[in-house]
Amino acid sequence: GENVEQHPSTLSVQEGDSAVIKCTYSDSASNYFPWYKQELGKGPQLIIDIRSNVGEKKDQRIAVTLNKTAKHFSLHITETQPEDSAVYFCAASNRNSGYALNFGKGTSLLVTP
Amino acid sequence: EPEVTQTPSHQVTQMGQEVILRCVPISNHLYFYWYRQILGQKVEFLVSFYNNEISEKSEIFDDQFSVERPDGSNFTLKIRSTKLEDSAMYFCASSADTGGGKLFFGSGTQLSVL
Repeated sequence: GENVEQHPSTLSVQEGDSAVIKCTYSDSASNYFPWYKQELGKGPQLIIDIRSNVGEKKDQRIAVTLNKTAKHFSLHITETQPEDSAVYFCAASNRNSGYALNFGKGTSLLVTP
Repeated sequence: EPEVTQTPSHQVTQMGQEVILRCVPISNHLYFYWYRQILGQKVEFLVSFYNNEISEKSEIFDDQFSVERPDGSNFTLKIRSTKLEDSAMYFCASSADTGGGKLFFGSGTQLSVL
């Protein structure tokens, strides 16, 4: 089955700096890659997603890149703000598994003022 | 903004007891899911549900688990005889479509089995 690895497990940046979180996946059939943000006491919230037919997608300060050949995808947050502090999860899914999401272990991002 | 609602937020039960976790998905969504997260581990897929039947389930979703959509709004997860290792945060999610559709998660139910 699909195995998603996520790094780093913790990340601390200063406000205004960029943050990058990286994930790799194992199943070449995976074709949908969402990123979720989880704040304390809340459920995961979708922040951006990308499908395998594109290499990059951007939404304001957040961007995701996908390298299908290398089977890795990354989340980039620019101009970080304290409210970006949360746990971020990557995930991958494909048709073979009914599009069930396979999650990474999460990255705890801390943005210090 | 529409959201997925889960109740209760916390559930404490004795080993061997049955529990029912409840979810109200977003009203126009057709696909429903349960995931769980054991403390410090990955969010894991349990089951997906569409058109009043299970469409996919993981190895975790054994005979002790069942799901039901008893009416037009609720979606429940039942654990028949809880075990210590069932202690986890259980998330319900819903989606308007499949094919890699966007999932919207509830805030979760923290289940503690003593």
